[in-house]
Amino acid sequence: QKEVEQNSGPLSVPEGAIASLNCTYSDRGSQSFFWYRQYSGKSPELIMFIYSNGDKEDGRFTAQLNKASQYVSLLIRDSQPSDSATYLCAVSVSGGTSYGKLTFGQGTILTVHP
Amino acid sequence: EAGVVQSPRYKIIEKKQPVAFWCNPISGHNTLYWYLQNLGQGPELLIRYENEEAVDDSQLPKDRFSAERLKGVDSTLKIQPAELGDSAVYLCASSLGTSGGETQYFGPGTRLLVL
Repeated sequence: QKEVEQNSGPLSVPEGAIASLNCTYSDRGSQSFFWYRQYSGKSPELIMFIYSNGDKEDGRFTAQLNKASQYVSLLIRDSQPSDSATYLCAVSVSGGTSYGKLTFGQGTILTVHP
Repeated sequence: EAGVVQSPRYKIIEKKQPVAFWCNPISGHNTLYWYLQNLGQGPELLIRYENEEAVDDSQLPKDRFSAERLKGVDSTLKIQPAELGDSAVYLCASSLGTSGGETQYFGPGTRLLVL
């Protein structure tokens, strides 16, 4: 079992719809969760992070965390063609020598079509 | 504020040749990371530095890979000799570290092609 799993997609949604990206993780000691966006040929850029159970909203993006289910998701409202990219979920087991060590999923390819 | 700087952006070499990548982190970021990213996969950590100290190099293939971070700022990752399977994107990232946060910011990466 991979430590961080994502559906590789591709996930295709029409412009204006809500895109839902999911991620599960295996280490119950995980404390910090990050979503990165990566355009083709570019490096990952941070969208948002979440530490606590529940929802965290930033503009059109909402991260949802459920530690009991070991599940984190990213919702993109009013999806735009410019949101088409690979979305990487990353998990950190904070504390001690593992502080800051991110484990990434393989990424989900999102395509938003006009 | 300048982001993470990497060079070169692209490198094509023949197998068995040496290659080196350079990274300059965001100013004030104590923690520096080198990742390897294969096509269609997420980045995989090779080595993590806290200032000058390599605190996690468990994933670094030490028979052919080496890294250094002299003076706790710039870092160099070297492969010698390169193999065909080393073709990938090598990403450098930095964060404030234990002093201020673990959010990592990535550089543009170096695309390596080994022929």
